[in-house]
Amino acid sequence: AQSVAQPEDQVNVAEGNPLTVKCTYSVSGNPYLFWYVQYPNRGLQFLLKYITGDNLVKGSYGFEAEFNKSQTSFHLKKPSALVSDSALYFCAVRDRGDYKLSFGAGTTVTVRA
Amino acid sequence: EAGVTQFPSHSVIEKGQTVTLRCDPISGHDNLYWYRRVMGKEIKFLLHFVKESKQDESGMPNNRFLAERTGGTYSTLKVQPAELEDSGVYFCASSQEIGSLETQYFGPGTRLLVL
Repeated sequence: AQSVAQPEDQVNVAEGNPLTVKCTYSVSGNPYLFWYVQYPNRGLQFLLKYITGDNLVKGSYGFEAEFNKSQTSFHLKKPSALVSDSALYFCAVRDRGDYKLSFGAGTTVTVRA
Repeated sequence: EAGVTQFPSHSVIEKGQTVTLRCDPISGHDNLYWYRRVMGKEIKFLLHFVKESKQDESGMPNNRFLAERTGGTYSTLKVQPAELEDSGVYFCASSQEIGSLETQYFGPGTRLLVL
């Protein structure tokens, strides 16, 4: 079985400050990890993924995420948040050999000007 | 390149009625998935098509839900009869192939409200 936990329902930061959205996962084997973002009235947009290799993954819009196997975490980060980053963020995991994504409950990010 | 599209964007129906949701995947994508997010909870897998064949429908809640993908192109998800607990956002996703590099691309979702 595979599962994802996003421990924070909401994250509030000031524009220009670092942004971190937390995600921990549980899978039986080696994970494929994903971050998606949903802007208001829009669909889920793919941000980045970890498959193998370098633990630090860079994605769209200046976001990056770090895979930490010992802590089973895949936190999303952005060094300097923008107001336009305000959205709903979902972490997802897929076990290798599977195709179904398991999502967390989502974290609402609000960046204030 | 057009993304995944879904229709309608919103649907409000009464308990006991029928609703049909449609998904058009990205052109050339053989894999099509349906997911659902209920009441602000996790997005959960419903089923997976490869072309016109159902590969996995283990996430379908019950037999009131019927998914089809005629000709391996667009897909429909019918709920008949709808119940209150069916309210939520139904997402469709598609991908080109299954494998280590596969990324599922999602549509905007259909927001279903059953009264």
